[in-house]
Amino acid sequence: DTEVTQTPKHLVMGMTNKKSLKCEQHMGHRAMYWYKQKAKKPPELMFVYSYEKLSINESVPSRFSPECPNSSLLNLHLHALQPEDSALYLCASSQGDRGGEETQYFGPGTRLLVL
Amino acid sequence: AQSVTQLGSHVSVSEGALVLLRCNYSSSVPPYLFWYVQYPNQGLQLLLKYTTGATLVKGINGFEAEFKKSETSFHLTKPSAHMSDAAEYFCAATNQAGTALIFGKGTTLSVSS
Repeated sequence: DTEVTQTPKHLVMGMTNKKSLKCEQHMGHRAMYWYKQKAKKPPELMFVYSYEKLSINESVPSRFSPECPNSSLLNLHLHALQPEDSALYLCASSQGDRGGEETQYFGPGTRLLVL
Repeated sequence: AQSVTQLGSHVSVSEGALVLLRCNYSSSVPPYLFWYVQYPNQGLQLLLKYTTGATLVKGINGFEAEFKKSETSFHLTKPSAHMSDAAEYFCAATNQAGTALIFGKGTTLSVSS
């Protein structure tokens, strides 16, 4: 099973809402990633969790709050977002924590629209 | 700092024609190199990767890429394009710490019949 699943597929939220994105993998991978992708742009790394600990935070605004409850699950909590945060949010995982050297497996993404 | 440049934001080919997507990296130390493909409304899928060893790398769906250190290039090719190859293609390289990927800006491949 080389699948990374993400829910929901689509999300519309207002600027005062609180919502969460969920990502799951059952490949025994020890690193998980959140990326943000705007239309016609490459993915931008937001966070990396390695062995369930936050190892990289690419200066992401605090309105995005990641959480890794266990080695298979990664959440991204959203609060007080801005319209410019509308994007495709991709989750990925890799076997070890050398994320630049290993194959990253991507989920299908959650398309977020902030009104 | 490492950077990845993809020449041509949009490449159009006819079905059956050669596909050539260009990628150059900036590091003086050859990084690990990857090509990912993204179909509309989907995540990224690995096509192939270069770590060490053989410089011609074969990937899925008939794609291959050749690592050329002298040219700091890792161009992606496919001998005969198929309509199903139409997608966005991203070249990526390891950052200096080896902890994350640096993506190029992407190339949109269109295939016409």
